[in-house]
Amino acid sequence: IQMTQSPSSLSASVGDRVTITCRASRSITTYLNWYQEKPGKAPKLLIYAASSVQSGVPSRFSGSGSGTDFTLTISSLQAEDFGTYYCQQSYGLPNSFGQGTKLEIK
Amino acid sequence: EVQLVQSGAEVKKPGATVKISCKVSGYTFIDFYIHWVQQAPGKGLEWMGFVDPEDGETMSAEKFQGRVKVTADTSVDTVYLELNSVRSEDTAVYYCTRAFCDDSTCQYDFWGQGTLVTVSS
Repeated sequence: IQMTQSPSSLSASVGDRVTITCRASRSITTYLNWYQEKPGKAPKLLIYAASSVQSGVPSRFSGSGSGTDFTLTISSLQAEDFGTYYCQQSYGLPNSFGQGTKLEIK
Repeated sequence: EVQLVQSGAEVKKPGATVKISCKVSGYTFIDFYIHWVQQAPGKGLEWMGFVDPEDGETMSAEKFQGRVKVTADTSVDTVYLELNSVRSEDTAVYYCTRAFCDDSTCQYDFWGQGTLVTVSS
């Protein structure tokens, strides 16, 4: 299953609403997760099952979608949200990740 | 507290074998699969394979077929990734990660700190 994210990179200001999309090559129902990665650190789980927020993750992060189209939204961007965001499908093996979206703070 | 602690950085010559460990703590070892993920310099995340610590069942990505071995030792709550015949393109950070799965979801909720493997002659 191929996962395609868009955009590949974006730059936004603190307080902006940011949306990242992920498309699967075939239906994965809601077996879709989102991770945040910062330089030199391991990825961190943000959203699982398309829309469930992982414990400890700020409420400004949300996810939506089902089937093939998914969205990660940051409602009000904070300075610490810089990094690279990956979607990942766990519907079928091999598990696969999107190519990543690099988010920079203006 | 759930922790996955990986072994240190490795430098290997082409054709050698590298073995990385991932020691888990804070939960029952056999209750969760452990997966391995590769990240080459400046690149994205790539799934490599997994092991079920309970029965040793494994699966690896086609890209690494025949070169990857994932094992679990229940006596020390540790999972191992062995990659043989390494080449320059295997230079990467390797992560172990716990897969939390139920009837409707499966996600990587805890990660090791990563192990850098450098392949250089």
